Amino acid sequence: DAGVTQSPTHLIKTRGQQVTLRCSPKSGHDTVSWYQQALGQGPQFIFQYYEEEERQRGNFPDRFSGHQFPNYSSELNVNALLLGDSALYLCASSPPAVKTQYFGPGTRLLVL
Amino acid sequence: AQKVTQAQTEISVVEKEDVTLDCVYETRDTTYYLFWYKQPPSGELVFLIRRNSFDEQNEISGRYSWNFQKSTSSFNFTITASQVVDSAVYFCALSENRGSARQLTFGSGTQLTVLP
Repeated sequence: DAGVTQSPTHLIKTRGQQVTLRCSPKSGHDTVSWYQQALGQGPQFIFQYYEEEERQRGNFPDRFSGHQFPNYSSELNVNALLLGDSALYLCASSPPAVKTQYFGPGTRLLVL
Repeated sequence: AQKVTQAQTEISVVEKEDVTLDCVYETRDTTYYLFWYKQPPSGELVFLIRRNSFDEQNEISGRYSWNFQKSTSSFNFTITASQVVDSAVYFCALSENRGSARQLTFGSGTQLTVLP
């Protein structure tokens, strides 16, 4: 049974560009959350998707947007990249009515 | 607002020593969930345990044990007879029970280094 998968594993962009990160949840999971983890810090919640809708959002600007597809996979889009967006982006999925979130390996984004 | 504090930034122990990682949380909710995750150098967060706020029983899983005390808002994690493979960053996290929301609030993590 595959766990949460994310692509790409690493990405290098320049300031002002746009980026799309992808996540496939574990089989049977219907909720996907995204987190940003800066170097040396704990993950910060970006938003959560359920039934293709954004259910909850953290304190991130509108440059961060997302989408969930009918197969529960999800994308995170970041527009107008800033140097401060350099981080590890983690996707987590959870099964119906369960609080535990299971994380993928993350995408390391470097903005130059 | 909820908050998780892990005051120990880094801990270094010698193999076979016991080590306790501290976690203190703040929440206004009466129902909430507490978690511990392990993050090895590869970066993936590995789920270790979830504890419901109504269940204050301590839990033991092999060399791992957890001490949940609502009176002090603490959820500490002890590794007995530590091993080099335990070296990682450990995060404590809190999730409030507001409807279907499942946002996790993480502490800043504790870097554990186990020396051979």
